[in-house]
Amino acid sequence: DTGVSQDPRHKITKRGQNVTFRCDPISEHNRLYWYRQTLGQGPEFLTYFQNEAQLEKSRLLSDRFSAERPKGSFSTLEIQRTEQGDSAMYLCASSLSGASGLYEQYFGPGTRLTVT
Amino acid sequence: GDSVTQMEGPVTLSEEAFLTINCTYTATGYPSLFWYVQYPGEGLQLLLKATKADDKGSNKGFEATYRKETTSFHLEKGSVQVSDSAVYFCALSDLYNFNKFYFGSGTKLNVKP
Repeated sequence: DTGVSQDPRHKITKRGQNVTFRCDPISEHNRLYWYRQTLGQGPEFLTYFQNEAQLEKSRLLSDRFSAERPKGSFSTLEIQRTEQGDSAMYLCASSLSGASGLYEQYFGPGTRLTVT
Repeated sequence: GDSVTQMEGPVTLSEEAFLTINCTYTATGYPSLFWYVQYPGEGLQLLLKATKADDKGSNKGFEATYRKETTSFHLEKGSVQVSDSAVYFCALSDLYNFNKFYFGSGTKLNVKP
């Protein structure tokens, strides 16, 4: 399977615990995005990497959230001291970028986080 | 800022009925427009796209035309099938804003046999 993969698919944690999610993009894609999707809503942008550089962060990404893409390949999203409001589907997407313009984003299946 | 508004659902249709899901957008730059579909338990899949005004995107019998004058990108299909039941998301992306996507809230389509 050469699509975007995410691990785990589901995570249940108690409030106050830390969680980490992993995203493996399509191998030749240099851009990687994280989104959050709450029930009944569309995905909301969280952050974006061009290779290993994190170039943009949404104001939705509080200081409890941190994302890395250490070698420009896979990425991790960590949430510290989870709160019930963090319960959502966390989506990863990847794309190419180039001088010829826009390439669509390919989405992974998401990680569903439930904070109890 | 950039945003997308789409009609609220759910939309319930009988098989072979005509489908329209409305989508309008607000953008300051030069957006490309997309429709993504999310089947139950699956991730978002690109359905179709249009990169400039008057372009028509089409795929699997679905169509949408990029209308700059009305800032719209309505999704249509002439004859829906039960297998089209899913949530449909309209989205825009601005090439000059690192391709960040802005999504609408989604419209759930239920097609009854």
